[in-house]
Amino acid sequence: DSGVTQTPKHLITATGQRVTLRCSPRSGDLSVYWYQQSLDQGLQFLIQYYNGEERAKGNILERFSAQQFPDLHSELNLSSLELGDSALYFCASSTLAGDYNEQFFGPGTRLTVL
Amino acid sequence: LAKTTQPISMDSYEGQEVNITCSHNNIATNDYITWYQQFPSQGPRFIIQGYKTKVTNEVASLFIPADRKSSTLSLPRVSLSDTAVYYCLVGDPNTGGFKTIFGAGTRLFVKA
Repeated sequence: DSGVTQTPKHLITATGQRVTLRCSPRSGDLSVYWYQQSLDQGLQFLIQYYNGEERAKGNILERFSAQQFPDLHSELNLSSLELGDSALYFCASSTLAGDYNEQFFGPGTRLTVL
Repeated sequence: LAKTTQPISMDSYEGQEVNITCSHNNIATNDYITWYQQFPSQGPRFIIQGYKTKVTNEVASLFIPADRKSSTLSLPRVSLSDTAVYYCLVGDPNTGGFKTIFGAGTRLFVKA
């Protein structure tokens, strides 16, 4: 158990819909990262927050947005969903702001878009 | 950001030592090498990190030559449960604001 929690574990929805994925980092961790992993694909970095502020942005679609709240939990919002958005979405956290510090990953949310 | 190259897949047998090499020709002075392990449908797990020479922990060893243009993750006496994807990352752990790049990884399959 990494100490990072993600909800929900599974999500099934239809094209065009909007969903919110939630992540609670390890206690004391200020950095939160979001990744997307499609079937048989590598991990794609989406976005990073550090202590409430956006720190780095990857190839995140404009239909996707995220935020980190004062209590440090984070939410990833996916809207106008397409079939290709079906994937595992991982959240990770780390203590420090440096991206290549050890990141602790959550169990992921499996999103299925029908 | 240093780009990494590692074999797409490797096969091994239980009890053997496995060495996975990662090439990172344009590694920067402040970059460290970090390895993660990922099982199917699970998030990656940090294995080991190093800057130069050799680092060893209870799970693996990391060998880094003097020019630091490559590194080798060594898994002693693998078991079936070591079947996973292994990612080599190169970057500065003391600097933020950059994308974390995992790459395609090396798919290790351990056979009985």
